[in-house]
Amino acid sequence: DAGVTQSPTHLIKTRGQHVTLRCSPISGHKSVSWYQQVLGQGPQFIFQYYEKEERGRGNFPDRFSARQFPNYSSELNVNALLLGDSALYLCASKPGQIQETQYFGPGTRLLVL
Amino acid sequence: GNSVTQMEGPVTLSEEAFLTINCTYTATGYPSLFWYVQYPGEGLQLLLKATKADDKGSNKGFEATYRKETTSFHLEKGSVQVSDSAVYFCALSGGSPSGSRLTFGEGTQLTVNP
Repeated sequence: DAGVTQSPTHLIKTRGQHVTLRCSPISGHKSVSWYQQVLGQGPQFIFQYYEKEERGRGNFPDRFSARQFPNYSSELNVNALLLGDSALYLCASKPGQIQETQYFGPGTRLLVL
Repeated sequence: GNSVTQMEGPVTLSEEAFLTINCTYTATGYPSLFWYVQYPGEGLQLLLKATKADDKGSNKGFEATYRKETTSFHLEKGSVQVSDSAVYFCALSGGSPSGSRLTFGEGTQLTVNP
């Protein structure tokens, strides 16, 4: 079975631009979460979506937004990019909403110049 | 809120040495505890987990026991290999008020030399 997939794998943007990152969960998984991992640090929670509704939001500015589609795939959008947004963006999926193991994709590495 | 503290790295060992990476946590309620591993240039892979006190998670020779009295979940392996070189993250989910989001430690870089 395919794992969590993310696209693109790498991305280079300039300050002020907008970016969209995509995630496809494991088949049968209805919950998707997004994490930001800055180089040398642990991942930080951004959003959780379950059944197309936002179920949790981390301490990130409103420039960050996300959505989940009927097929349970998800997009993370970041507006007005800053240099500090350079990071590995990880998507994770799990079957339901409550405490369960999350399975991570390979990530999208974003560089903002 | 929830937090996870890992021993500072990096850790460098010789092949077949014993490994311990310390992890302690702060959480309200009864969180689940995890160890994830990240190989260079890759995402996170689940290594092992424990969902209640005194549970022992194990996988690929690695073990960790959920100790509620000391709020700890230390990772151990009896004999490390070069292929174990990676960054190891301790994490928790559950408890209040963070729900099912994962809270990670800062990570511990392990290098195993032949």
